[in-house]
Amino acid sequence: DAKTTQPPSMDCAEGRAANLPCNHSTISGNEYVYWYRQIHSQGPQYIIHGLKNNETNEMASLIITEDRKSSTLILPHATLRDTAVYYCIVLRGGYQKVTFGTGTKLQVIP
Amino acid sequence: SAVISQKPSRDICQRGTSLTIQCQVDSQVTMMFWYRQQPGQSLTLIATANQGSEATYESGFVIDKFPISRPNLTFSTLTVSNMSPEDSSIYLCSVVSSYNEQFFGPGTRLTVL
Repeated sequence: DAKTTQPPSMDCAEGRAANLPCNHSTISGNEYVYWYRQIHSQGPQYIIHGLKNNETNEMASLIITEDRKSSTLILPHATLRDTAVYYCIVLRGGYQKVTFGTGTKLQVIP
Repeated sequence: SAVISQKPSRDICQRGTSLTIQCQVDSQVTMMFWYRQQPGQSLTLIATANQGSEATYESGFVIDKFPISRPNLTFSTLTVSNMSPEDSSIYLCSVVSSYNEQFFGPGTRLTVL
């Protein structure tokens, strides 16, 4: 599975959009980009995933560049409850052996 | 989405003892995994729990230390054997749904004294 690179930490003001970047320059054609988050001491929570098109659900939007070498997770209106560690993961479809990196620690500030 | 429960949610154990953690899913799933998260660290995959056969362990993890059972498509157990303080971690069960989404259980927080 391709390796990902994320900034170790970010701050975001409450109510503003949080944009979390991820680089995955070695991604191959059949690999998906997944995002999870882990709120302190809880199990990781699935957020969203995509292959090459931009995706949106009730939690977030995922923007994948045309060359698929990077992506951005967008939380449109961050709340204090969005404070968590966010993990960007690249996976082949069908076999879901997940390897977690260190993620981005997002701090939403009042 | 799959709903996953784990028992116990937390435990404090003595050195040299063993603890068995249960993972129950509310629907049949194809794949189940066990992870460990040591304090301040990211998640590390321990093994893939295979239904009806021996688990597949990742490098650094062995069956004698972490025996795993998966008797059916909705249940698995992980045993942490002969525990030491270094085994103090959160242990998480994870499953893959029929839509290829991966979900995690709430975790079991283990403290070894």
